[in-house]
Amino acid sequence: EVQLEESGGHLVQPGRSLRLSCVASGFKFGDFAMHWVRQGPEKGLEWVAGIGWDSGSLGYADSVKGRFTISRDNAKNSLYLQMKSLRPEDTAFYFCTKDINVGVLPPAVRGFDAWGQGTLVTVSS
Amino acid sequence: DIQMTQSPSSVSASVGDRVTITCRASQDISSWLTWYQQKPGKAPKLLIYAASALQGGVPSRFSGSGSGTEFTLTISSLQPEDFATYYCHQGNSFPFTFGPGTKVD
Repeated sequence: EVQLEESGGHLVQPGRSLRLSCVASGFKFGDFAMHWVRQGPEKGLEWVAGIGWDSGSLGYADSVKGRFTISRDNAKNSLYLQMKSLRPEDTAFYFCTKDINVGVLPPAVRGFDAWGQGTLVTVSS
Repeated sequence: DIQMTQSPSSVSASVGDRVTITCRASQDISSWLTWYQQKPGKAPKLLIYAASALQGGVPSRFSGSGSGTEFTLTISSLQPEDFATYYCHQGNSFPFTFGPGTKVD
């Protein structure tokens, strides 16, 4: 069974940093692209960042470019999101998702076929 | 950035109804369009990728069509478990963007 488990979310002051982690199991982690998607309170979905199977390709939403860094460690079946200069508008549930594709560069077939339950990041003073 | 819009924003329907949701992209995205279903308090679920390919395990009452800038998700006969919010998502270019969602209640 494919499982994704996020951790690291909590209350943080504006301007501070936070690192999210996601541990995967039930599939060959190194064979698929991975992404972070977030959802603010009572809001829709927002793609945050994606990384290819070998970390050779990356992509970011405009709203986080330059502040967030996505990375992975295939030996540890883990995905990470380093977040800096956090803003109140970054408050959201952050989901780790598995792509059906190996790479992240568009244009290409895209489908997030497994999701974690999310970890809540609250940015507030 | 490619902007995704969905219509309607919400739809009231009954069990057995045929429900159609439209997703429009601000520019040509070929067939790089995905549909997700999300229930309250739950993570989204992949329904359809590449505009019309049904994800494994998804009931055949769900179907997708379209290409270019206009796409549709159709539920042929609404079931009780289908009351949820539906999102489209483009994978044609960075940054990948979601539509605002359509709530079926």
